[in-house]
Amino acid sequence: DAGVIQSPRHEVTEMGQEVTLRCKPISGHDYLFWYRQTMMRGLELLIYFNNNVPIDDSGMPEDRFSAKMPNASFSTLKIQPSEPRDSAVYFCASSRGQGSSYEQYFGPGTRLTVT
Amino acid sequence: GDSVTQMEGPVTLSEEAFLTINCTYTATGYPSLFWYVQYPGEGLQLLLKATKADDKGSNKGFEATYRKETTSFHLEKGSVQVSDSAVYFCALSGPLMNRDDKIIFGKGTRLHILP
Repeated sequence: DAGVIQSPRHEVTEMGQEVTLRCKPISGHDYLFWYRQTMMRGLELLIYFNNNVPIDDSGMPEDRFSAKMPNASFSTLKIQPSEPRDSAVYFCASSRGQGSSYEQYFGPGTRLTVT
Repeated sequence: GDSVTQMEGPVTLSEEAFLTINCTYTATGYPSLFWYVQYPGEGLQLLLKATKADDKGSNKGFEATYRKETTSFHLEKGSVQVSDSAVYFCALSGPLMNRDDKIIFGKGTRLHILP
């Protein structure tokens, strides 16, 4: 298996622009997670899906952020409009289940820089 | 709420030195505990886990023992290698088989091993 695939690996954009991050989970995994990593706040869970349905989006910072999972093999995280404080590394992870019995597999991340 | 506190880095050691990275947690009930590792340019990977008190998780020469009396899960390795240079995250989740619990990560400790 190729593992969790994220694109792009690096994104540089100007404040006010729309940014779309993409994720392909591991085939057969029912759960998909979006995390954000910054020096100040560490690793934060933004939202997660079960069987393509958003279960908990309480970590999404504000309405500028939205996430979709139109099918079992693809998810997007969109920021519109982007702001400099959104600069971070965004990780997608997937697992067969939720809870401590199931390992989460992380993608390599997308490093976002908003100028 | 539940939380994880781990020692701040960076930690710099010479090759073959003994490693300890401290981690303590605050949680209700009996959480499961994890160590994840993030190598440069990659996503997080599960290193080891323990699901009940006095359990010892081990992998790749690393060990950690779930100590409920001290609410700790310190990571140790007897002889580190340059290839162990990475960021290490302590994390917790709900008790085993509880499907609704998210993983809560510490802020990470950067480890740098000198040849």
